[in-house]
Amino acid sequence: SQKIEQNSEALNIQEGKTATLTCNYTNYSPAYLQWYRQDPGRGPVFLLLIRENEKEKRKERLKVTFDTTLKQSLFHITASQPADSATYLCALDPRGFQKLVFGTGTRLLVSP
Amino acid sequence: EADIYQTPRYLVIGTGKKITLECSQTMGHDKMYWYQQDPGMELHLIHYSYGVNSTEKGDLSSESTVSRIRTEHFPLTLESARPSHTSQYLCASRREGTDTQYFGPGTRLTVL
Repeated sequence: SQKIEQNSEALNIQEGKTATLTCNYTNYSPAYLQWYRQDPGRGPVFLLLIRENEKEKRKERLKVTFDTTLKQSLFHITASQPADSATYLCALDPRGFQKLVFGTGTRLLVSP
Repeated sequence: EADIYQTPRYLVIGTGKKITLECSQTMGHDKMYWYQQDPGMELHLIHYSYGVNSTEKGDLSSESTVSRIRTEHFPLTLESARPSHTSQYLCASRREGTDTQYFGPGTRLTVL
């Protein structure tokens, strides 16, 4: 079956450290993968998109990698801050029909 | 900040009532989507539209219906609400030719 898996347990880290979140997928061959941030009671906000022919993408303190052989994407936040605390979702478009499938998300907690 | 709006933000109603959740965007996007999200769970696509007079059911079966008479407006209707409809409903839009979805703030629906 097709699945997108993200760590269901919350990730707790100290301010200033690098947070690394994982997204694994099975039985998909997506052309791209996206990462969103969702705060409690709010809609997701787009962060980064990485295409299948890109190994790495950066935006300020954010970095995403995409390994189509491992079927995995890693999302890094460097120099993390308490304001980075949120749930981070990965999403992909499995059939190129512009309909996204989302993972359950990983909650990140950054302590001062 | 995305120009996509949802009303009401919170709604508590009794079983059997008819409700309409409003979604509007001022970005001129052709594609619009409705997702359902339970706490701690992934977003599930329940309806989408590729333009005026175009509506399709999503991957998750839903008793709700949608309409798309104007580009900017994509309301969702439940003819007879039930407690099983209690959830968060998120509306999103996307411009043709791009991959990023912009989400509204969501409507938290509680059916008693």
